[in-house]
Amino acid sequence: GENVEQHPSTLSVQEGDSAVIKCTYSDSASNYFPWYKQELGKRPQLIIDIRSNVGEKKDQRIAVTLNKTAKHFSLHITETQPEDSAVYFCAAILMNRDDKIIFGKGTRLHILP
Amino acid sequence: ETGVTQTPRHLVMGMTNKKSLKCEQHLGHNAMYWYKQSAKKPLELMFVYSLEERVENNSVPSRFSPECPNSSHLFLHLHTLQPEDSALYLCASSQDWRRSGACDQPQHFGDGTRLSIL
Repeated sequence: GENVEQHPSTLSVQEGDSAVIKCTYSDSASNYFPWYKQELGKRPQLIIDIRSNVGEKKDQRIAVTLNKTAKHFSLHITETQPEDSAVYFCAAILMNRDDKIIFGKGTRLHILP
Repeated sequence: ETGVTQTPRHLVMGMTNKKSLKCEQHLGHNAMYWYKQSAKKPLELMFVYSLEERVENNSVPSRFSPECPNSSHLFLHLHTLQPEDSALYLCASSQDWRRSGACDQPQHFGDGTRLSIL
């Protein structure tokens, strides 16, 4: 069945360095890829998203890249800060008659001082 | 104010109890979702209501029963739950892409209900 693989499950990065989280999806018809950030004890919040007809999108220190051929997309966080510590979830969504929404298992990002 | 409000925030119940979780959204969305979040499966979609019709049920046990009386309210009725049902239950809403015509409709989550089954 449809699947989204997310790696790594845990990531520790020195403050100021960059962090990269990768997701691979199985359904080539997926057409929307959001990323959510969930801080401890809080709800997931959308931080950036990308549509299947776009290869890259950037918003200040965060960016997402999409490779449709390889069926993978990545979250890039530059100049990491302590407040970036959280769990990050990717998702692959197929918008059609039978909408399918599949989340990755999450990546726990630790920003080290 | 998150736009998506869930009550109660915490719920402890016995396996024979019947309770309901409530979700309300103030964002003008027309699709609502229930998710289960646990250590085993971080974000598991349970139900989707779009335009007030249920469009997906991911083989969730019948002890979970959703109800969507209108586009702003969503309930999850619980009965005869098992200890493994202890988890955080998250509600989300979004604009249905079929009405908006745009496929990039992000979901907005509530703060969740932390459910513990004794």
